[in-house]
Amino acid sequence: LPVLTQPPSASALLGASIKLTCTLSSEHSTYTIEWYQQRPGRSPQYIMKVKSDGSHSKGDGIPDRFMGSSSGADRYLTLSNLHSDDEAEYHCGESHTIDGQVGYVFGTGTKVTVL
Amino acid sequence: EVQLLESGGGLVQPGGSLRLSCAASGFTFSSYAMSWVRQAPGKGLEWVSAISAGGGTTYSADSVKGRFTISRDNSKNTLYLQLNSLRAEDTAVYYCAKETIPRAYDMGVWGKGTTVTVSS
Repeated sequence: LPVLTQPPSASALLGASIKLTCTLSSEHSTYTIEWYQQRPGRSPQYIMKVKSDGSHSKGDGIPDRFMGSSSGADRYLTLSNLHSDDEAEYHCGESHTIDGQVGYVFGTGTKVTVL
Repeated sequence: EVQLLESGGGLVQPGGSLRLSCAASGFTFSSYAMSWVRQAPGKGLEWVSAISAGGGTTYSADSVKGRFTISRDNSKNTLYLQLNSLRAEDTAVYYCAKETIPRAYDMGVWGKGTTVTVSS
C-alpha cells in the first residue's frame, strides 16, 4: 500500500509563506494526491489535487495564494501571505486501485501554526 | 450548494451496533461515489469505506472488513454505514464525503460528522 509521510508541525509568521510537504513511498512516486485543510473543531475541507507533473486543480473558493507543486515523490502545498485562519491541520491523501480494490490512504497530517 | 448531513452517532457498548446516515443535497447523488472517513480523538484521518455511484460495488479498510457495511439509497439521496461488533478503537467522529469528480474516490466535500463513542 502507498505510504504518505508528512512532518508533524510547521510554523511561519503572519504574512509570510510556508511550504508543506507530503512524501509518497518510492514505489508510488507518480501518484496524484489531494490536500485537505482542517481548522480546529471543524470538518476537513478539500483544497486541491496535485499531480506528479506539478499541475494542480483547486476546490471551489480556494484562494490563489494556495499553490500546489511536485518534485519526484514529494507533493507540496505552498500557502502565501499567511492569514491567522490558515492555522489548521493539513492532511494529504491519495486514492489507489490495487487488484481491483479501491482504497484511500491519508498522511498523518501537519499542524500549521501562524506566529 | 452541496450539503452532507450525518446522523446516527451515539454512545454504544462494546459489541453493539449503530447505523449512521448521511443525507445529501445540492447535487445528483446517484452520479457520485461516496465515502466514510473517521477520526479518532486527537488522531489523524482514516478512510473507512467507499461505495460506487450506483451502489453495486463497495470497498472497505481492513480494520472494518466484516464488521462495517456501507450502502446507499439513491432514491432517498442517502448514504449509510452499518457498524456492528463495535470496539473501543472505533470511537471517532465519522464523516461522509462526496468525490470531486466521478470515479475519483477522493473527498471533495465533507459533512460535519457524527460522533460514535464505544464504551461500557
